[in-house]
Amino acid sequence: QVQLQESGPGLVKPSETLSLTCTVSGGSITSHYWSWIRQYPGKGLEWIGYIYYSGSTNYNPSLKSRVTISVDTSKKQFSLKLSSVTAADTAVYYCARGVEEVNYWGQGTLVAVSS
Amino acid sequence: QVVLTQSPSASASLGASVKLTCTLSSGHSSYAIAWHQQQPEKGPHYLMKLNNDGSHNKGGGIPDRFSGSSSGAERYLIISSLQSEDEADYYCQTWDTGIQVFGGGTKLTVL
Repeated sequence: QVQLQESGPGLVKPSETLSLTCTVSGGSITSHYWSWIRQYPGKGLEWIGYIYYSGSTNYNPSLKSRVTISVDTSKKQFSLKLSSVTAADTAVYYCARGVEEVNYWGQGTLVAVSS
Repeated sequence: QVVLTQSPSASASLGASVKLTCTLSSGHSSYAIAWHQQQPEKGPHYLMKLNNDGSHNKGGGIPDRFSGSSSGAERYLIISSLQSEDEADYYCQTWDTGIQVFGGGTKLTVL
């Protein structure tokens, strides 16, 4: 059974860069697409972007200028960097598998943006 | 770009059946979607992929009580023999030219 686990700071200061890592276990990281999705406190879900194991990426146009997703297949990890954060970036961040239907989700990690 | 519309809330009695609806925006009625369940204080969990012809592929371990169907631009999640643990938020999701899109979610209350 594929399992995904997010890790990273739970608090980030405004204007700084949010960094999260997702570790994949129970399955291969190769031949799959890996996504980052966030959920606002009011419950809406927003797709951030995805990466193929080979390194090709696609980002939400609304976040593209601030987002970088990378992958390290040797560690079975992929990562998210979101720059110049504001309070509006406060959310639960999920890593997930899939470029069409998302068929595996991590448990999520809350990231608050505050000074 | 495709938009998914869901009713904010639904309710049904314990042991009854309920049908939740996800509507695709105009011009996108052929799209497949996925259904996800989010129980309170938990992350979302994949239920199934639902095609425009009503065929669906469920995730591992999803009970037979969960099924899907389609009609035109509408995609349905049908839950039969409702149990208390089915009380959750249900989200539909689709994809279009490399972009993933989510509906606003339906909060299901089991009475």
